[in-house]
Amino acid sequence: DSGVTQTPKHLITATGQRVTLRCSPRSGDLSVYWYQQSLDQGLQFLIQYYNGEERAKGNILERFSAQQFPDLHSELNLSSLELGDSALYFCASRVGIKGGGETQYFGPGTRLLVL
Amino acid sequence: ELKVEQNPLFLSMQEGKNYTIYCNYSTTSDRLYWYRQDPGKSLESLFVLLSNGAVKQEGRLMASLDTKARLSTLHITAAVHDLSATYFCAVGAQKLVFGQGTRLTINP
Repeated sequence: DSGVTQTPKHLITATGQRVTLRCSPRSGDLSVYWYQQSLDQGLQFLIQYYNGEERAKGNILERFSAQQFPDLHSELNLSSLELGDSALYFCASRVGIKGGGETQYFGPGTRLLVL
Repeated sequence: ELKVEQNPLFLSMQEGKNYTIYCNYSTTSDRLYWYRQDPGKSLESLFVLLSNGAVKQEGRLMASLDTKARLSTLHITAAVHDLSATYFCAVGAQKLVFGQGTRLTINP
């Protein structure tokens, strides 16, 4: 168990709709990373937040937005959904590991299906 | 732009055999990660390699990093069925850039 939680686990919606995915990082972790995993694009970094501030942006569409709240949970908002947005969405938090260095621990993911 | 390439993308092997997955990346990085993903599941962190020549081992898996060649390898020794999964390498200090993944199937 990575300690990162995500809700919901599954989401089925229609094109044109808007959904919100939620992530809580491991207790005490200030960082949240969002990734999208799809068959055609693979695993892609979307956006990073650290202690409420946006730190890095990747291949995130303008229809997508995110924020991190004071309690450190994060939400990824996807709007005007298209069929191609169907994917697994992961969030991760960065943690130190024994022996030095850090890694990212991934949550269980939200599987989004747009019909 | 950083690119990460793995090969092979698909690997079917028999139990008891050894094999190596390769991960090449296009620009200098001093951190490389290996993850495992079971079908429909999340990514599990396996190794973090931080410096040139770094080698880490866990059970039947051993990962190494050559920063000069921009190459990491994940070696599987005496494969067992439980190691069947998709393995990803990733590079980056903050945002991770992932390879395409290697789907490993180990047959009894």
